[in-house]
Amino acid sequence: DAGVIQSPRHEVTEMGQEVTLRCKPISGHDYLFWYRQTMMRGLELLIYFNNNVPIDDSGMPEDRFSAKMPNASFSTLKIQPSEPRDSAVYFCASSRPLQEQYFGPGTRLTVT
Amino acid sequence: QKEVEQDPGPLSVPEGAIVSLNCTYSNSAFQYFMWYRQYSRKGPELLMYTYSSGNKEDGRFTAQVDKSSKYISLFIRDSQPSDSATYLCAMISLTGGFKTIFGAGTRLFVKA
Repeated sequence: DAGVIQSPRHEVTEMGQEVTLRCKPISGHDYLFWYRQTMMRGLELLIYFNNNVPIDDSGMPEDRFSAKMPNASFSTLKIQPSEPRDSAVYFCASSRPLQEQYFGPGTRLTVT
Repeated sequence: QKEVEQDPGPLSVPEGAIVSLNCTYSNSAFQYFMWYRQYSRKGPELLMYTYSSGNKEDGRFTAQVDKSSKYISLFIRDSQPSDSATYLCAMISLTGGFKTIFGAGTRLFVKA
């Protein structure tokens, strides 16, 4: 298996623009997680899905953030409009129930 | 107060030293405990996974869980420069659904 795939790997955008991050989980994994990592705040869970259904989105910072999982092999995290404070590394991870999470390589987002 | 507390370091040790990394937690419902290792510009990878109180050993690594004190540790024996990374503790509480809470991560530098 290729592991968790994320795209793009790097994204530089201007404040106010829409940003869409993409994730393909490992086949057969029921859970998908979106995290944000910064030096100041560490690794923060934004939202997670079980069988394509959002279970807990309490970590989503604002209404500017939204996530979807239209099928078992694809998820998106969208930020609209983006702000400089959204600059971070965004990780997608997938797992089976109570098993280890496999992380993707991350998307490094810079909002200027 | 954060649910999981972890000293961010950095921690710098000479090659061959024994390293002790620790986390404390406040939620007694946490039942599964993990240590992830994250190299620079990579996603975290699972290092150790334990369920009950006690010790679990894997090569140079030993994970220790003390549920009565709400304290977990990771020991690295004969540390190597290749161990230089950020180590994140993580915990799962079944009462809150399958939600993993990560510590802030401790940056470790092993000097040759």
